[in-house]
Amino acid sequence: RKEVEQDPGPFNVPEGATVAFNCTYSNSASQSFFWYRQDCRKEPKLLMSVYSSGNEDGRFTAQLNRASQYISLLIRDSKLSDSATYLCVVTFGNNNQGGKLIFGQGTELSVKP
Amino acid sequence: NAGVTQTPKFQVLKTGQSMTLQCAQDMNHEYMSWYRQDPGMGLRLIHYSVGAGITDQGEVPNGYNVSRSTTEDFPLRLLSAAPSQTSVYFCASRRGDGYTFGSGTRLTVV
Repeated sequence: RKEVEQDPGPFNVPEGATVAFNCTYSNSASQSFFWYRQDCRKEPKLLMSVYSSGNEDGRFTAQLNRASQYISLLIRDSKLSDSATYLCVVTFGNNNQGGKLIFGQGTELSVKP
Repeated sequence: NAGVTQTPKFQVLKTGQSMTLQCAQDMNHEYMSWYRQDPGMGLRLIHYSVGAGITDQGEVPNGYNVSRSTTEDFPLRLLSAAPSQTSVYFCASRRGDGYTFGSGTRLTVV
């Protein structure tokens, strides 16, 4: 079983749609959780951190359920510019291990006019 | 402040050749790491370093060496390139929870 699993998609949605991505992780010792965005052939960029209390940044809402080892990302009112691959990322390990990033394989989103 | 700089951006190697991918950061980050990205596989950790003089293996270290003589630089060496090492390579550095990635090196081994 992969340490971090995502639905690879692609998700094809019209502008203005609401889309939800799900992610599960296998290591209960995971410490930090993130969503990254990756545009075609470019480097990943941090979209938002994910907390148990949930967090919202404009049209984006992220949730963490530690008991179920589940992370979600909700995008409301999708824009063409939201088209990208969304990477679910967790870290675990002590300070000596540097908090290694473990990536899911990514979920591709395509927003159409 | 240039962030994380990777060179070269593109490289073609013949099987058996060796080369070094360069990574430099000017943010005084202690932690640096190398990932490779293959289609459908996500990013996989090759090697990482928690500070100058300290390196350790990640998930897929075979065929790669690293060293960390300074805080700024973390080069990745391919000892004898193989077609299976064709990939996109990303270097990242972090302080706290904030990871910054370089723009990547696209390597093809023929």
